[in-house]
Amino acid sequence: KAGVTQTPRYLIKTRGQQVTLSCSPISGHRSVSWYQQTPGQGLQFLFEYFSETQRNKGNFPGRFSGRQFSNSRSEMNVSTLELGDSALYLCASSYGGGQKNTEAFFGQGTRLTVV
Amino acid sequence: GNSVTQMEGPVTLSEEAFLTINCTYTATGYPSLFWYVQYPGEGLQLLLKATKADDKGSNKGFEATYRKETTSFHLEKGSVQVSDSAVYFCALRSNTGKLIFGQGTTLQVKP
Repeated sequence: KAGVTQTPRYLIKTRGQQVTLSCSPISGHRSVSWYQQTPGQGLQFLFEYFSETQRNKGNFPGRFSGRQFSNSRSEMNVSTLELGDSALYLCASSYGGGQKNTEAFFGQGTRLTVV
Repeated sequence: GNSVTQMEGPVTLSEEAFLTINCTYTATGYPSLFWYVQYPGEGLQLLLKATKADDKGSNKGFEATYRKETTSFHLEKGSVQVSDSAVYFCALRSNTGKLIFGQGTTLQVKP
């Protein structure tokens, strides 16, 4: 069974540009969550999608957005990139959403560098 | 709100030493608790979990017990190996579905 696949693994962008990251969850999983990991702030929750609907949202500006497709694949978009957006972006896949005992499986992440 | 606090790192141990990484949480209700491990350049891997009070999660020699009375979920291993060197994250998940992580504890095991 394939794991969570995130593409691309590495990205370098310039300030002011926008970027789209992709996540393919484990087959059969309907929930996809996104996290930002930085040395200073640690792991911070961005948002969660379940069956194409955003269920939860973290405390990030509107420049961060996401969506989920009918095949459960998800994309997140960051517009007007800032230097502080440089981070490892992690996607997590779960079978169900909103259930506390559900295990989350993570992809290897996309390392975004903004210059 | 919900939160997780882990002991500050880095933790440096010799091979075969006993490991404890402390984790305490604040949450409304009865969350599930998890330990994840992150190796360099990788994403997070689920190490173990516990879903109710007094549950003990275990995997690969690591153990943690869900202690409701002390709101703790400390990670332990009897004999660490160099290959255990990584960053360890304690996390909780409540009925909102959102995973809340601690800051992570770096473990370095020396031969």
